[in-house]
Amino acid sequence: NAGVTQTPKFRILKIGQSMTLQCTQDMNHNYMYWYRQDPGMGLKLIYYSVGAGITDKGEVPNGYNVSRSTTEDFPLRLELAAPSQTSVYFCASTTAPFGEGGYEQYFGPGTRLTVT
Amino acid sequence: GENVEQHPSTLSVQEGDSAVIKCTYSDSASNYFPWYKQELGKRPQLIIDIRSNVGEKKDQRIAVTLNKTAKHFSLHITETQPEDSAVYFCAASKGSYIPTFGRGTSLIVHP
Repeated sequence: NAGVTQTPKFRILKIGQSMTLQCTQDMNHNYMYWYRQDPGMGLKLIYYSVGAGITDKGEVPNGYNVSRSTTEDFPLRLELAAPSQTSVYFCASTTAPFGEGGYEQYFGPGTRLTVT
Repeated sequence: GENVEQHPSTLSVQEGDSAVIKCTYSDSASNYFPWYKQELGKRPQLIIDIRSNVGEKKDQRIAVTLNKTAKHFSLHITETQPEDSAVYFCAASKGSYIPTFGRGTSLIVHP
């Protein structure tokens, strides 16, 4: 298993540009998440998905959009990039039997995004 | 919603010493408490976790304790080594599968 993979690893965007961060997992996990991590800070949840076709907002969704058309893929779209979106973005996934909470999250390697 | 406070933000120890990181949570319904280690430039990875029906769990040099009454849980690392240097994150979650993370503790182990 490759686990959770993310592309690209690095990207520099100009203000106002758009891009899509890709995330794929091959563990057949239902739950997928997007976090951002600012320097010296913790993880802030942007969006999450509990299964194909279902997404919901996290703590900091403004300026982002997601889709979940398959179990494997959970892309994050940045529209009209702003300097405040400079961060490291982590995708994660977990499996959790229905009705039970609390299982390990598997993180991707991250995408380092700079908006200038 | 859940609120997780983590202390200290930075912890500096000598190799061989013990290190303790503490987290408090606000939602008494939280029932799963993982700890993640993040080395510089790497992804977070689970090192140990505990569920609310257990008071303590150990894995070699790492242990986690949970006090449900006081709503706090702690990570204990004994005989620290330079390779233990990293940022450690605690988290708390319940049935919603959406964990709330602490802000992280930067552990520095001096040789």
